[in-house]
Amino acid sequence: GAVVSQHPSWVICKSGTSVKIECRSLDFQATTMFWYRQFPKQSLMLMATSNEGSKATYEQGVEKDKFLINHASLTLSTLTVTSAHPEDSSFYICSASDGGTYYEQYFGPGTRLTVT
Amino acid sequence: RKEVEQDPGPFNVPEGATVAFNCTYSNSASQSFFWYRQDCRKEPKLLMSVYSSGNEDGRFTAQLNRASQYISLLIRDSKLSDSATYLCAGSSNTGKLIFGQGTTLQVKP
Repeated sequence: GAVVSQHPSWVICKSGTSVKIECRSLDFQATTMFWYRQFPKQSLMLMATSNEGSKATYEQGVEKDKFLINHASLTLSTLTVTSAHPEDSSFYICSASDGGTYYEQYFGPGTRLTVT
Repeated sequence: RKEVEQDPGPFNVPEGATVAFNCTYSNSASQSFFWYRQDCRKEPKLLMSVYSSGNEDGRFTAQLNRASQYISLLIRDSKLSDSATYLCAGSSNTGKLIFGQGTTLQVKP
């Protein structure tokens, strides 16, 4: 149980283009989904929290107009990196929570984005 | 001061050794704590959850000391396959997880 998928697993795009990443909870309903970014040899940094049907809450320093998050259903959230630049190259990981008592989060396999 | 802090290591231990990691947290309001294992270029996988004083699962034991605000992870009889980065995380009442920077473990034959 508690399986989360992400698509694509890796993507290479040119500077200035936009990239959409999908995160799906496969066997449970995710009331909350989280988006993280991880640079090499660093820990996960939370970018935003999204609840189904409402606007995402972004962490300080994360541009909401650049990283568009949509959480249209209880099993799907998307992150769109708009006008990507090389410094956006990173490992993007989503996680999902069913809002259980202890707030356990289950992670997707991540998406490796390279912007050339 | 970081909200969750870990010694990044690396910890180099021989097979069969017992190794312990500590993680300290600054937010006394944190409700739950977790140990995740992350392999190179992979996503974190939940290893253990810690809600009360401790939790044990096979060779792994996690303990929580709320008075001193630290969580520990003990691995007994280390295997080569235990080599990974171990991430400590604390959860607030909003459900957000705050991660430490991770501790790298290398188990050698």
